[in-house]
Amino acid sequence: EAGVAQSPRYKIIEKRQSVAFWCNPISGHATLYWYQQILGQGPKLLIQFQNNGVVDDSQLPKDRFSAERLKGVDSTLKIQPAKLEDSAVYLCASSSQFGGPNTGELFFGEGSRLTVL
Amino acid sequence: DQQVKQNSPSLSVQEGRISILNCDYTNSMFDYFLWYKKYPAEGPTFLISISSIKDKNEDGRFTVFLNKSAKHLSLHIVPSQPGDSAVYFCAALRGGGADGLTFGKGTHLIIQP
Repeated sequence: EAGVAQSPRYKIIEKRQSVAFWCNPISGHATLYWYQQILGQGPKLLIQFQNNGVVDDSQLPKDRFSAERLKGVDSTLKIQPAKLEDSAVYLCASSSQFGGPNTGELFFGEGSRLTVL
Repeated sequence: DQQVKQNSPSLSVQEGRISILNCDYTNSMFDYFLWYKKYPAEGPTFLISISSIKDKNEDGRFTVFLNKSAKHLSLHIVPSQPGDSAVYFCAALRGGGADGLTFGKGTHLIIQP
């Protein structure tokens, strides 16, 4: 079974530039998450999709971050304009269901490491 | 506001001995707890979980204990092996999983030969 795919793996940009990350979840997984992991911290949820609808985006800085999941499969996360503090690893995860026997068992991609100079 | 706390950034244990990783939480609405393991340059992978209705869950060398009154859980690894060297994240869920996971900052476990 193919895992969660993310690209690019690494990206270096200057502040005020824009960047986009792509995620392809495990086939059939209805729930998709974007997490931000700053060095030395645990992953922080940015946004959660159920199919193509947003379940929770309360921690997404909406003045600069946006995310979409068209057709309920792939997702993109965009940052525009980037700030120095956005330097982090952006992790995409998917799960087959919530509230069921596999509750909380998210499958993570390898992450996209962003460096903002 | 850190709702899930892992107060030990790192832990060094000799191979073959027991590793004990600790986690505290503040939100009494959390009803499901998980441990994730992360190697460098990889995403976290699920290790073991426990529901709030239980106080222990065991899977091979890994056991998670939950003390609800103290809002504390711990992960025991016995015996510890070199491949266990990784960062371990404690995570919590509420509302049956409708919200995303809340993670702690992680503990870097180092298994010494």
